[in-house]
Amino acid sequence: AAGVIQSPRHLIKEKRETATLKCYPIPRHDTVYWYQQGPGQDPQFLISFYEKMQSDKGSIPDRFSAQQFSDYHSELNMSSLELGDSALYFCASSLGSGKDSYEQYFGPGTRLTVT
Amino acid sequence: LAKTTQPISMDSYEGQEVNITCSHNNIATNDYITWYQQFPSQGPRFIIQGYKTKVTNEVASLFIPADRKSSTLSLPRVSLSDTAVYYCLVGDPTLGRLYFGRGTQLTVWP
Repeated sequence: AAGVIQSPRHLIKEKRETATLKCYPIPRHDTVYWYQQGPGQDPQFLISFYEKMQSDKGSIPDRFSAQQFSDYHSELNMSSLELGDSALYFCASSLGSGKDSYEQYFGPGTRLTVT
Repeated sequence: LAKTTQPISMDSYEGQEVNITCSHNNIATNDYITWYQQFPSQGPRFIIQGYKTKVTNEVASLFIPADRKSSTLSLPRVSLSDTAVYYCLVGDPTLGRLYFGRGTQLTVWP
């Protein structure tokens, strides 16, 4: 079965650079979520989109922005990178927002290292 | 948002049944209880979800008492590959986002 695809899988950037992470949800899934997981920490919700509109916003820094495109893929844009942004970034997708299930399908993650 | 408390770590041996209990004293009426599993450097994976009583699927069972202030994830006959972090999440699914608290590191020994 098709899964969530994230690219790139690994990314190394220097401080103050920008980065773009991409997420391709499971076909027919219309909701995308972004999570950040720092070393030894638990995943933290950043932002979500439903039908190409932002549906919820969590602890996403102002330096970050995201969008969902017409083909439902999503991109997380990160600017002025800081050392503390080094983390695993997960994208998850689900079918429908406001449903009665917490079942989200997570991608393999993008490991971002800021040096 | 209902705060959850679960053991930081648990150990078990292959073939044993493992029960991980999560307490959520201030669970709200619309909240569901959901468990996720995460292997190192991989995305979390949905295990099971329930509202009350007992739910069972092909990998686990979830027991929820009548007062819903706690829940127990039961993993039958664990194997080495069940070594992972297990997260208990409580919340209203209509809100979408998942709140991950401190999970339980389960280590299965041969």
